[in-house]
Amino acid sequence: GAGVSQSPRYKVAKRGQDVALRCDPISGHVSLFWYQQALGQGPEFLTYFQNEAQLDKSGLPSDRFFAERPEGSVSTLKIQRTQQEDSAVYLCASSAFLAGGTPSNEQFFGPGTRLTVL
Amino acid sequence: KNEVEQSPQNLTAQEGEFITINCSYSVGISALHWLQQHPGGGIVSLFMLSSGKKKHGRLIATINIQEKHSSLHITASHPRDSAVYICAVSLSIIQGAQKLVFGQGTRLTINP
Repeated sequence: GAGVSQSPRYKVAKRGQDVALRCDPISGHVSLFWYQQALGQGPEFLTYFQNEAQLDKSGLPSDRFFAERPEGSVSTLKIQRTQQEDSAVYLCASSAFLAGGTPSNEQFFGPGTRLTVL
Repeated sequence: KNEVEQSPQNLTAQEGEFITINCSYSVGISALHWLQQHPGGGIVSLFMLSSGKKKHGRLIATINIQEKHSSLHITASHPRDSAVYICAVSLSIIQGAQKLVFGQGTRLTINP
């Protein structure tokens, strides 16, 4: 596709509900990142995929957060038993590998999913 | 202390003014990014730099690696420049990949 897309753009959930947020990266991009942005703050790293492998999940705030990228393209971030503190914008970014096989520093961001937990 | 600190947090100026946003970081980095975020969440990359200075139109970004400091300048500011400007640094995680660590952003408002 032309850019990174995310769906839904807005999600309202009742406390305790499970939600699933989808990210479609730029076609061919090997790296995929999820970030969480609380209101008025800068984004914070959640997790990183290289193809289908989740190589870093150190930023996931609790075991209620789970991410997958089973075929190395589309990724889903799932939040179980949502709580009010999960309210944030969830950003997905993708990046390519350079010709020499090293990851590029440049990341391309999707529009984000704004999650509101009531 | 955050790894990336920006100042000011909020900045209001009149159209035409010269704008400077500052960013300091406390860790070793491979690159520094300046990003723009408009209401609605979308983030656009303005600059990625590891040394010296870059210019694009009315925007100029500089970095001093020794002092771990970067600045973003906007010349002849315009109301359409109103947005949140975010400084971020690239930090190595695994297998050469770099995650971004962000400052908290500077909300810029340019009044006509």
